Amino acid sequence: GAGVSQTPSNKVTEKGKYVELRCDPISGHTALYWYRQSLGQGPEFLIYFQGTGAADDSGLPNDRFFAVRPEGSVSTLKIQRTERGDSAVYLCASSSGQGGETQYFGPGTRLLVL
Amino acid sequence: SQQGEEDPQALSIQEGENATMNCSYKTSINNLQWYRQNSGRGLVHLILIRSNEREKHSGRLRVTLDTSKKSSSLLITASRAADTASYFCATRYNDYKLSFGAGTTVTVRA
Repeated sequence: GAGVSQTPSNKVTEKGKYVELRCDPISGHTALYWYRQSLGQGPEFLIYFQGTGAADDSGLPNDRFFAVRPEGSVSTLKIQRTERGDSAVYLCASSSGQGGETQYFGPGTRLLVL
Repeated sequence: SQQGEEDPQALSIQEGENATMNCSYKTSINNLQWYRQNSGRGLVHLILIRSNEREKHSGRLRVTLDTSKKSSSLLITASRAADTASYFCATRYNDYKLSFGAGTTVTVRA
């Protein structure tokens, strides 16, 4: 079966622009997670969805970041007024519900803000 | 903030040798997981060890967990060039959130 997919693979944008990053989880996985990984660091938690609702968005760095999952499957991470410090790899993961202990990661989107 | 810390930061070994890396964490956990990452992209889940387990094996991987010391180790035996990657420990201390360390970069020389 297909794994987690993310688009685009790479995104280059200019400071101040708006970007959307998409995640397609594994079919049937109700839990979805976004992480951000800066160079030389491990992934840092951003937000967790259980179904359509954001159960925990405590990792979002500020109100420029927002994520949705309107139908409980595909999720979009939205970043407004991008800053150079937003440059990182954005990783999406999914797991089989709240009890699913293993998170399956997508290949990530590498975002570069010039 | 990241809870786990891996040690060493980098490791270079000859093909066929064993590679050992350690992870320390700060708070009580439900389980600890190890992931591998190639070329800074997607993470691959390697192994999960629960807080009531002390040792676990999967192929050439051996993981130990010492909850009294809040530490874990990952051993890769008979390393191969394909094992060259970054390895991360991730602690899970509630129903869903994983907290990753900064990783150990392993280079296996042919």
